[in-house]
Amino acid sequence: EAGVVQSPRYKIIEKKQPVAFWCNPISGHNTLYWYLQNLGQGPELLIRYENEEAVDDSQLPKDRFSAERLKGVDSTLKIQPAELGDSAVYLCASSLEAGTDYNEQFFGPGTRLTVL
Amino acid sequence: GQQVMQIPQYQHVQEGEDFTTYCNSSTTLSNIQWYKQRPGGHPVFLIQLVKSGEVKKQKRLTFQFGEAKKNSSLHITATQTTDVGTYFCAGRAGGSYIPTFGRGTSLIVHP
Repeated sequence: EAGVVQSPRYKIIEKKQPVAFWCNPISGHNTLYWYLQNLGQGPELLIRYENEEAVDDSQLPKDRFSAERLKGVDSTLKIQPAELGDSAVYLCASSLEAGTDYNEQFFGPGTRLTVL
Repeated sequence: GQQVMQIPQYQHVQEGEDFTTYCNSSTTLSNIQWYKQRPGGHPVFLIQLVKSGEVKKQKRLTFQFGEAKKNSSLHITATQTTDVGTYFCAGRAGGSYIPTFGRGTSLIVHP
């Protein structure tokens, strides 16, 4: 069974440029998460999707970040314009159902973003 | 908001020594999960604890959930070089669907 797929793995851009990350979760997983991970820190939730509905997006900086999961399967996270402080690893994870007692998250390999 | 604190931040051990990382939450948790992230890798789920006072073992790893469901620990017996990585706890407060991750404890094992 394929795991969570993310692309690109690495991205280097100049500040003020736009950037987009793509995630394909494990088949059958209704819940999809986008996290940001800075060096030496734990993952910080940006947004959670239940199927195609965005929930728990209070940590998403909505002035520059946007996300979508149109058909309830794969998802895109966009930053426009990027700032120097956005340099981090962006992790996508999926789980069967967030509301169940057992909601193990499966993480993708992440996209390492460097903003110059 | 909920805070999850993890100590120590780093731990150096000689191969064969034991290792423990501790996780403390500011609020009572409905469950706690543990993940391992190898250098350059992504977090990988290890285990979930749900019950007060619960203890689970996976080979050389022992996980505990406190009686008050506000703290947890991971203990590794006789560390090996393959144990190298950062261990994260992620606690989910009652009524929330989102685990809050701690900062992690990075384990360095010297051969």
